[in-house]
Amino acid sequence: QVQLQESGPGLVKPSETLSLICTVSGGSISSYYWSWIRQPPGKGLEWIGYIYYSGSANYNPSLKSRVTLSLDTSKNQFSLKLSSVTAADTAVYYCTRQEVAIFYWGQGTLVTVSS
Amino acid sequence: QSVLTQPPSTSGAPGQRVTISCSGSSSNIGSNTVNWYQQLPGTAPKLLIYNNNQRPSGVPDRFSGSKSGTSASLAISGLQSEDETDYYCATWDDSLNGPVFGGGTKLTVL
Repeated sequence: QVQLQESGPGLVKPSETLSLICTVSGGSISSYYWSWIRQPPGKGLEWIGYIYYSGSANYNPSLKSRVTLSLDTSKNQFSLKLSSVTAADTAVYYCTRQEVAIFYWGQGTLVTVSS
Repeated sequence: QSVLTQPPSTSGAPGQRVTISCSGSSSNIGSNTVNWYQQLPGTAPKLLIYNNNQRPSGVPDRFSGSKSGTSASLAISGLQSEDETDYYCATWDDSLNGPVFGGGTKLTVL
């Protein structure tokens, strides 16, 4: 059974960089597309971007200038960096395996942007 | 502002049938299959329907999906109290080259 687990700081200061790692177990990261999706408190879901196991990535245009995705096949992990964060970036961040649908989600991690 | 449009809320009595609509455009629903997710409070979304009308293993057949043109619907029959939660539609958007979501519908079981 594939499992995904997000990890990283729960509090980030404004203007700094949010960094999260997703660890995949029960399956290899060396296939499929791997995505990050976020959900601000009380609001809907927003796709951030996805990365293919080859390393090619695609980002939501609304965040593209601030987002970088990468992956580490040796650790079966992929990561998210979001720069110049503001309070509007406060959200639960989910890592997922992107297929025709999202069958596998991490449990989510709340990241709060505050000084 | 979500790319896909869902009603913010809907309701129904136990045992009844409710439907949740999802409206998009030619670049998303019109040219791709639709998925539905159920999200219980404080948890990650769970896939309920994929490829317009397919149920993952373990999802009761009370849940069904359909698609026509640039719109889709989720139907829940035999409404139960545990169905009271949030539902999201989603699909691929060819212009964005990524997934897009509806704003979510909160279902209340009266």
